[in-house]
Amino acid sequence: KAGVTQTPRYLIKTRGQQVTLSCSPISGHRSVSWYQQTPGQGLQFLFEYFSETQRNKGNFPGRFSGRQFSNSRSEMNVSTLELGDSALYLCASSLGGTGNYGYTFGSGTRLTVV
Amino acid sequence: GDSVTQMEGPVTLSEEAFLTINCTYTATGYPSLFWYVQYPGEGLQLLLKATKADDKGSNKGFEATYRKETTSFHLEKGSVQVSDSAVYFCALSAVGYSTLTFGKGTMLLVSP
Repeated sequence: KAGVTQTPRYLIKTRGQQVTLSCSPISGHRSVSWYQQTPGQGLQFLFEYFSETQRNKGNFPGRFSGRQFSNSRSEMNVSTLELGDSALYLCASSLGGTGNYGYTFGSGTRLTVV
Repeated sequence: GDSVTQMEGPVTLSEEAFLTINCTYTATGYPSLFWYVQYPGEGLQLLLKATKADDKGSNKGFEATYRKETTSFHLEKGSVQVSDSAVYFCALSAVGYSTLTFGKGTMLLVSP
C-alpha cells in the first residue's frame, strides 16, 4: 500500500514568488492536513480538508491556501513568498473523523525562499 | 488553548540504556495522545497512541501510558539501540477535532 506522497521534495523560490505543493494521500483516506515545520516554531497546523471541504484552519495569513480534489489529492499554495516561509511542509492523511485514527505523514517538501 | 510540553533535548544515552522522555499536556476533556518519531530527512511516523485514560500504547519496544490524573504521556523504552536515534514528538488531538497539537520535539542520540 503506497504511503503519502508529496511532490516536489525540494524547492527553491525567490521572495515574492508563489509556490504550489502537492500531496497524494493513502488510498481510501479522505482527510488531508498540512503542517509547517521550522526550527523555531516547531510543527504548526496549517489546514485540514475532508471530502473537498476545509474543515479546520490554523493561524496563518491568507497567503497560505489549499484545496482538495475529488480523488482526495490536495494542494497548498503560498503566494508572495517571504523568507520566513522557508520550512519543511508536511502533509498527513487519515481515514477521517476524529484524530483517533492517527495520521500518516509524507516525507515533506522542503521549501527554501531566497 | 491546548498545548503539549516535552522535555528539552538532546537526550544522550548509551546503547541498552533505559529511556524516558517526559510529556505533559493541557486540554479539556479526554484528548487522544500520540507519539511520533522523525528520522533525519524524513516525515513523521506514528509510533504509538492512546485514546482514553489508563490506555497503554506500545510499539517496537516503546510504551506510553495515558495518565489523566497527571495529564502525562511519558515515552519509555527498556533498552535503546543506535537505530532509535531520532526526534520524538508528543502530540494530542482534542475531543471532536482531528488536528494535532505537537510538542517541540526531543532529540534522542544513542551511542554504541
